[in-house]
Amino acid sequence: AQSVAQPEDQVNVAEGNPLTVKCTYSVSGNPYLFWYVQYPNRGLQFLLKYITGDNLVKGSYGFEAEFNKSQTSFHLKKPSALVSDSALYFCAVRDMEYGNKLVFGAGTILRVKS
Amino acid sequence: EAQVTQNPRYLITVTGKKLTVTCSQNMNHEYMSWYRQDPGLGLRQIYYSMNVEVTDKGDVPEGYKVSRKEKRNFPLILESPSPNQTSLYFCASGLTYNEQFFGPGTRLTVL
Repeated sequence: AQSVAQPEDQVNVAEGNPLTVKCTYSVSGNPYLFWYVQYPNRGLQFLLKYITGDNLVKGSYGFEAEFNKSQTSFHLKKPSALVSDSALYFCAVRDMEYGNKLVFGAGTILRVKS
Repeated sequence: EAQVTQNPRYLITVTGKKLTVTCSQNMNHEYMSWYRQDPGLGLRQIYYSMNVEVTDKGDVPEGYKVSRKEKRNFPLILESPSPNQTSLYFCASGLTYNEQFFGPGTRLTVL
């Protein structure tokens, strides 16, 4: 079965420092991978996706993610964190068996302190 | 404004009392989906719909029903709610499953 794992419940980073939110996946075949962000008391918002092509994917709000096939990872990154980046981040993978749905990870809380 | 709306936003009810959570989108999206969010479990899909009159089970469909009679609406029905259905529910829509737009959520408590 397709799955993603977010090994860190919470990531703390100082404002201005680079941030990484980790995600590893387990799928059969080529993965379709996604990152979503949830701000407090809001629904999820799409950040970026990897379907094929360049391993470095750029998305909204200055975020990017690096697809690494050998390590089965899709880590979310940003060169310089902002306090306003504090939120809950979800990694997701397309369910290759059914094809029309996403499987989400448990989420990682990102806290950026000034 | 392009959006997904859900109603109600908050609901407290009792075991066994049928309820419906409405979801509507104004983006002409074919794909719609319902999720529940529980601490430590992330989002789990309940049902999804590829188009009008086409619905399919997600990962946790037990105890829920849906219908898709119009493209813009995708209501979630709990025929006989139980306390284990206490959760935060999100409706989402998209051209496909790829980039989904989420509603603001409905916090349901079943006593």
